[in-house]
Amino acid sequence: LAKTTQPISMDSYEGQEVNITCSHNNIATNDYITWYQQFPSQGPRFIIQGYKTKVTNEVASLFIPADRKSSTLSLPRVSLSDTAVYYCLVGSSNTGKLIFGQGTTLQVKP
Amino acid sequence: DSGVTQTPKHLITATGQRVTLRCSPRSGDLSVYWYQQSLDQGLQFLIQYYNGEERAKGNILERFSAQQFPDLHSELNLSSLELGDSALYFCASSVGRESYEQYFGPGTRLTVT
Repeated sequence: LAKTTQPISMDSYEGQEVNITCSHNNIATNDYITWYQQFPSQGPRFIIQGYKTKVTNEVASLFIPADRKSSTLSLPRVSLSDTAVYYCLVGSSNTGKLIFGQGTTLQVKP
Repeated sequence: DSGVTQTPKHLITATGQRVTLRCSPRSGDLSVYWYQQSLDQGLQFLIQYYNGEERAKGNILERFSAQQFPDLHSELNLSSLELGDSALYFCASSVGRESYEQYFGPGTRLTVT
């Protein structure tokens, strides 16, 4: 299963767009990518999931290039409440194994 | 509130002991997942059960075991506990066999002294 790598931390300001990239160089054909958000002392919360190209929902977009070796979570117009840790997860449809990245701590400043 | 419940919230025990963590999935979800979260290891996938059967295994130690019961609740058993087992243990659930969208519980904080 693909090893995942994310930046440890990022800073942003309210109202800006934030892009967090996860590298998964050894991703397999049937692996899928999911992103989660976690606040302190809470369980992770699902944000978005995709397999290839672009997926958008009401809170975020997920961009996956053709080679699928990375994925980028895009958060439009962040607010202070978006300060959290963001995890990418690569899952295998074949084996069911799941690998989380080490998480990116996003700090949104006023 | 994700709809996933975990008990207990906190657990303090001594090395060498055995504990059981319990998880009730969201209504209608057939899959249950267990994770360990520690400062040095991050979020580690331990095991998944789907409709009572083991579906996938991650980095689960031999001292740990889990099961999913006919009513779909799950238990994670940790035995011969070591100081390094101190961590947050999360349970999550999803509708189907694939983990496309998981709902996480609030976690059980285990402290081994």
